[in-house]
Amino acid sequence: KQEVTQIPAALSVPEGENLVLNCSFTDSAIYNLQWFRQDPGKGLTSLLLIQSSQREQTSGRLNASLDKSSGRSTLYIAASQPGDSATYLCAVGVGAGTALIFGKGTTLSVSS
Amino acid sequence: GAVVSQHPSWVICKSGTSVKIECRSLDFQATTMFWYRQFPKQSLMLMATSNEGSKATYEQGVEKDKFLINHASLTLSTLTVTSAHPEDSSFYICSVSGRAGYNEQFFGPGTRLTVL
Repeated sequence: KQEVTQIPAALSVPEGENLVLNCSFTDSAIYNLQWFRQDPGKGLTSLLLIQSSQREQTSGRLNASLDKSSGRSTLYIAASQPGDSATYLCAVGVGAGTALIFGKGTTLSVSS
Repeated sequence: GAVVSQHPSWVICKSGTSVKIECRSLDFQATTMFWYRQFPKQSLMLMATSNEGSKATYEQGVEKDKFLINHASLTLSTLTVTSAHPEDSSFYICSVSGRAGYNEQFFGPGTRLTVL
């Protein structure tokens, strides 16, 4: 059974710091991995999607890497801003058209 | 990406009543939609897979007679919580899968259900 774990559960950093969020999964046979942002009481915003054949994806200040063999993904946020404060969720897909399996998320707080 | 809406965004109801939640794919024809539930401080848990024109597939532990799913068109899926109880209070979110072969999921804004 696929399980997704995110470490740390919470993180507080001062504005401008670069940071890394970690995600691990137990079964390396994934189809893809997706990172989301969730603001309190809101839905999910897709940040980055990495296909199983890819090693990384970048969007602006965000960079996500994928190491399937070790069952790990990282989300790198450069020059953090207070507006980055949110919960970041990692989720894996096990096949085309299938639902996602989520980690519990990392709640990030960036202070000005 | 696909744009997904949900209605209502929040609802408060009395115990024993039924509540219907709509999930619409506004710019994409979705043969499959997913319904998730999120309890406070917890992650999203899949409840069921909604298939257009056929019966939904429910995850283990989810009562299909309590959580009725209807996917009557390629743009609309509904989740009806029947005889709601306080323990059903949660955040319900739907998603659709976007580009064929990519399995990129796009989520609705969610519906906050509070059962008194």
